[in-house]
Amino acid sequence: QIQLVQSGPELKKPGETVKISCKASDYTFTDYSMHWVKQAPGKGLKWMGWINTETGEPTYADDFKGRFAFSLETSASTAYLQINNLKNEDTATYLCSRRDDGFAYWGQGTLVTVSA
Amino acid sequence: DIKMTQSPSSMYASLGERVTITCKASQDINSYLSWFQQKPGKSPKTLIYRANRLVDGVPSRFSGSGSGQDYSLSISSLEYEDMGIYYCLQYDEFPTFGGGTKLEIK
Repeated sequence: QIQLVQSGPELKKPGETVKISCKASDYTFTDYSMHWVKQAPGKGLKWMGWINTETGEPTYADDFKGRFAFSLETSASTAYLQINNLKNEDTATYLCSRRDDGFAYWGQGTLVTVSA
Repeated sequence: DIKMTQSPSSMYASLGERVTITCKASQDINSYLSWFQQKPGKSPKTLIYRANRLVDGVPSRFSGSGSGQDYSLSISSLEYEDMGIYYCLQYDEFPTFGGGTKLEIK
């Protein structure tokens, strides 16, 4: 069955970099764009942007321009989210979701904790 | 960006009660609206897409309605397992979520 499996939790220090993966299975990876969502502890869901899995072109929401980067490894059906120069406020669970009609499929989430 | 105003932000309801949650978009979103349920520590579960289409496997007590700017999610007869936080999402333009509704059992 269709699955999005994300990498495990990360503990980082401020200023470090983290790269999270989202591996897709059981569908043609390039048929659907991959979207990323942030959920800070105890907070709601916030759209970060997406990456066109055919072209590799990323699109970022305004709050996520600069330190955030979406990328692909198409041969491995995997999308990545990299966050550079981590800040305390980046502590959150990051979720990937396939763009179909309604966003029916989600990864399990990756908790990133930023702490000195 | 399209703003989604979801209400109420929290509510208590009794088992068997009918529950309705609403979302109002800042502009017409052409029924490109989904509803999700999220439980603690879990990723969102999609219930409804295109405003009123039930995802396979979701109980029929869930239904969605609306058009234009105004949408609602209803649970016809609340069950214990329905506790959680519910979010709407518009995907007509750059996706935006509603603020969420925390549903608790009275």
